[in-house]
Amino acid sequence: QKEVEQNSGPLSVPEGAIASLNCTYSDRGSQSFFWYRQYSGKSPELIMSIYSNGDKEDGRFTAQLNKASQYVSLLIRDSQPSDSATYLCAVRAGANSKLTFGKGITLSVRP
Amino acid sequence: KAGVTQTPRYLIKTRGQQVTLSCSPISGHRSVSWYQQTPGQGLQFLFEYFSETQRNKGNFPGRFSGRQFSNSRSEMNVSTLELGDSALYLCASSSAQPTDTQYFGPGTRLTVL
Repeated sequence: QKEVEQNSGPLSVPEGAIASLNCTYSDRGSQSFFWYRQYSGKSPELIMSIYSNGDKEDGRFTAQLNKASQYVSLLIRDSQPSDSATYLCAVRAGANSKLTFGKGITLSVRP
Repeated sequence: KAGVTQTPRYLIKTRGQQVTLSCSPISGHRSVSWYQQTPGQGLQFLFEYFSETQRNKGNFPGRFSGRQFSNSRSEMNVSTLELGDSALYLCASSSAQPTDTQYFGPGTRLTVL
């Protein structure tokens, strides 16, 4: 079983729509959760981090965490062409443990 | 603060050679992690160093090794290069608090011919 799984892509949405990206993880003891964005040819950059159940909003981005169901999601409201990138979900099991990444999902926002 | 820096940015080697990559973390960060990224496998964890000690290790062969210096700078070495080692190698630094974030460098693109 893969440790961190992201729903298969690519995902294509029209400009202005809501993009929903999902991620599940296998380690029930996981404590820290991150979403990174990676543009083609660039390195990953942090979008959001979330540590407790519920929603966390930052501008057009909302991260949602449900530890009981072992999933974390990222919603992008009012999607823009500049949001077109690969989005990586990352999970850390606990203090001093490694950060495990999903394989990523490529989002394309159509003008 | 200056970001994570990696050198060199691009490298071309031939099979059987060895290579050393360097990573300078953000000032004050004591943890450095290394990843290999390929189109097929995504981001694969190599190892993590904290205060000059390897704290975590991924599932890579012993040809991949690393170290960290007292100033937190880190190097990784790959010996006896294989064609499959062609990848983007990324390092990331963090201050290593339990909920802390990793910040990535620009990466080193290694091509093995």
